[in-house]
Amino acid sequence: GAGVSQSPSNKVTEKGKDVELRCDPISGHTALYWYRQSLGQGLEFLIYFQGNSAPDKSGLPSDRFSAERTGGSVSTLTIQRTQQEDSAVYLCASTLLATGGYEQYFGPGTRLTVT
Amino acid sequence: KQEVTQIPAALSVPEGENLVLNCSFTDSAIYNLQWFRQDPGKGLTSLLLIQSSQREQTSGRLNASLDKSSGRSTLYIAASQPGDSATYLCAVRAGNTGKLIFGQGTTLQVKP
Repeated sequence: GAGVSQSPSNKVTEKGKDVELRCDPISGHTALYWYRQSLGQGLEFLIYFQGNSAPDKSGLPSDRFSAERTGGSVSTLTIQRTQQEDSAVYLCASTLLATGGYEQYFGPGTRLTVT
Repeated sequence: KQEVTQIPAALSVPEGENLVLNCSFTDSAIYNLQWFRQDPGKGLTSLLLIQSSQREQTSGRLNASLDKSSGRSTLYIAASQPGDSATYLCAVRAGNTGKLIFGQGTTLQVKP
């Protein structure tokens, strides 16, 4: 079956614009995660979805960041009024269940560049 | 707060050598530990997953061990090949949300 997919693969935007990043998890996976990978910061957790709800948003860096998940499947991460420090690779992962020892499977990421 | 550290940050070895990558974590209360590989400009590929109750996992030339009490894991790569060149990341799952806490990675170069 298909793995985790993300779109777009690359996004260049001007400072101050809004962007939307999309994640399609593996079918049947109930848990979905967003992470950010930036130079000097490594890989950081942003938000976790169980079904359509987000019980852990502790990693979102500011209120300019929001995310939603619909139908227990596709998720979008929205960054409003982008800043240069938002430039990073945004990775999405999914797993069958958050509890239990299941592997997380990662998508290829979206590389965001804010000019 | 859980912190994950990987040593060394970079490693260069000749082809054929056996090598060990190290990962340490500060809080032993983990659910599992996962080793990933990341090629430049690509996403993460899962290599091995060790549950907290396990001591090691093997896949081909890779062997990962876990010592929860000392907060350490190692990834052993046997008979390294140039195709093994990549960044290797370890991550621990802590807490019941399943989120992963990552180390900074070890960048491996295997020279032909």
